[in-house]
Amino acid sequence: GAGVSQSPSNKVTEKGKDVELRCDPISGHTALYWYRQSLGQGLEFLIYFQGNSAPDKSGLPSDRFSAERTGGSVSTLTIQRTQQEDSAVYLCATGLGSSYNSPLHFGNGTRLTVT
Amino acid sequence: AQSVTQLDSQVPVFEEAPVELRCNYSSSVSVYLFWYVQYPNQGLQLLLKYLSGSTLVKGINGFEAEFNKSQTSFHLRKPSVHISDTAEYFCAVSDRDSSYKLIFGSGTRLLVRP
Repeated sequence: GAGVSQSPSNKVTEKGKDVELRCDPISGHTALYWYRQSLGQGLEFLIYFQGNSAPDKSGLPSDRFSAERTGGSVSTLTIQRTQQEDSAVYLCATGLGSSYNSPLHFGNGTRLTVT
Repeated sequence: AQSVTQLDSQVPVFEEAPVELRCNYSSSVSVYLFWYVQYPNQGLQLLLKYLSGSTLVKGINGFEAEFNKSQTSFHLRKPSVHISDTAEYFCAVSDRDSSYKLIFGSGTRLLVRP
C-alpha cells in the first residue's frame, strides 16, 4: 500500500514569497504531524492533528506558519512571506491513533530552500 | 510540557564495539518513550518503544533500551554494532497531558567505523 506522500519533494523560493506544502496521509490514519528538520536541530514539532479534535498548534514558530487538514485527510502547511531561516526539510508523519499505540509513518519530506 | 534531551550530537564507534546513546526526558506525568532511526537517505522508522511493564525493551536490529524513572532516562544500547547501524537516532516522548503528541530530541548521529 501507499505510504505517506509529500509534495513537492523540493521547493526553491525567493524570500518573501508564500509556499504550500502538501501531505497525503495513509488511508485511515487519524493522527497527522508536521515536523521541521534542520541540521543540528533535530525534529522540531510544528503542529498535530488528531481526528476531529482542534489541532495542537503550539509548535508553529510564528504567525507566518499555518496548517489545515481537510476532511481528516490531506493536510497543507502554508508558510507566508518566507524567510531564509525557514529553509529546512519539512516532514509529515501519520498514525492510526495515538502515538503510544501506533507507530508514526513518515513521508520523505519537502526540502525547502529560501533564497 | 514534555521535552527530550539527547546530549551527544555524534557518537563515533568502531565496528563490533558496544554503544550507548543517551536520552533524558522531562515530563510531569507518566510517559511513553520511543526511539526512531533514520538511515541515510531514508525516512524515520520506529526502533523500539516503552509503554509500561518491563523497563528493558528490545527492538529491531539487536537494539535495546532501558527505562529508568528515577533518572528520567531511556538510553539506547547495542552490544556489538555493525557498519549498517550508521544512522541518526532520535529519542521521543509522549504523555497523556499533551494528548500524546510526540516530541523528539535533537538526534544522535551514530557513525560506525571499520
